[in-house]
Amino acid sequence: DTGVSQNPRHKITKRGQNVTFRCDPISEHNRLYWYRQTLGQGPEFLTYFQNEAQLEKSRLLSDRFSAERPKGSFSTLEIQRTEQGDSAMYLCASSLGQEGNIQYFGAGTRLSVL
Amino acid sequence: AQSVSQHNHHVILSEAASLELGCNYSYGGTVNLFWYVQYPGQHLQLLLKYFSGDPLVKGIKGFEAEFIKSKFSFNLRKPSVQWSDTAEYFCAVNSASGNTPLVFGKGTRLSVIA
Repeated sequence: DTGVSQNPRHKITKRGQNVTFRCDPISEHNRLYWYRQTLGQGPEFLTYFQNEAQLEKSRLLSDRFSAERPKGSFSTLEIQRTEQGDSAMYLCASSLGQEGNIQYFGAGTRLSVL
Repeated sequence: AQSVSQHNHHVILSEAASLELGCNYSYGGTVNLFWYVQYPGQHLQLLLKYFSGDPLVKGIKGFEAEFIKSKFSFNLRKPSVQWSDTAEYFCAVNSASGNTPLVFGKGTRLSVIA
């Protein structure tokens, strides 16, 4: 499978714990995006990278959230001191980074904070 | 502010009925427009896209959409729906000038009954 891969698919954690999600983009895609989707809503942008550089962060991304893409390949999204309001589907997408290019989405990581 | 409005939250149709899902956007500058579909238990998939040129675009599975610039609209249509079209449909927009994050609508859930 050469699509966008996300791990884990599901994560259940207790409030206050730290969690980390991983995204492996499509090979040779230099742009990588993180979105969050809650029930009844469309995906909302969190942050994105071009290669290893983090180009933009949404105001939704509180200081408890951090994302990295150290070698310009896979990316991790960490949430520290999780809160119940962090429960959501976290989606990763990648694109070639050219004008008019399409973003391809992974299956997402569903986070449940108890 | 950048936003996408999808007029219908949940649409229920009988098989062979015609479908039209509304989408209006608010976004400065020239835009790219997308419809993504999410089948039950699956990841977001691109249904069709508009970048430039002919405002009537055709996508997979018999879907089409028309970009009406004066109305800031990009409605999705299908002349005859099938049970397998049951899914959630998301309209999205980004800037045509770069590979920017997508702004999504809240989605429309389509249920097709036999």
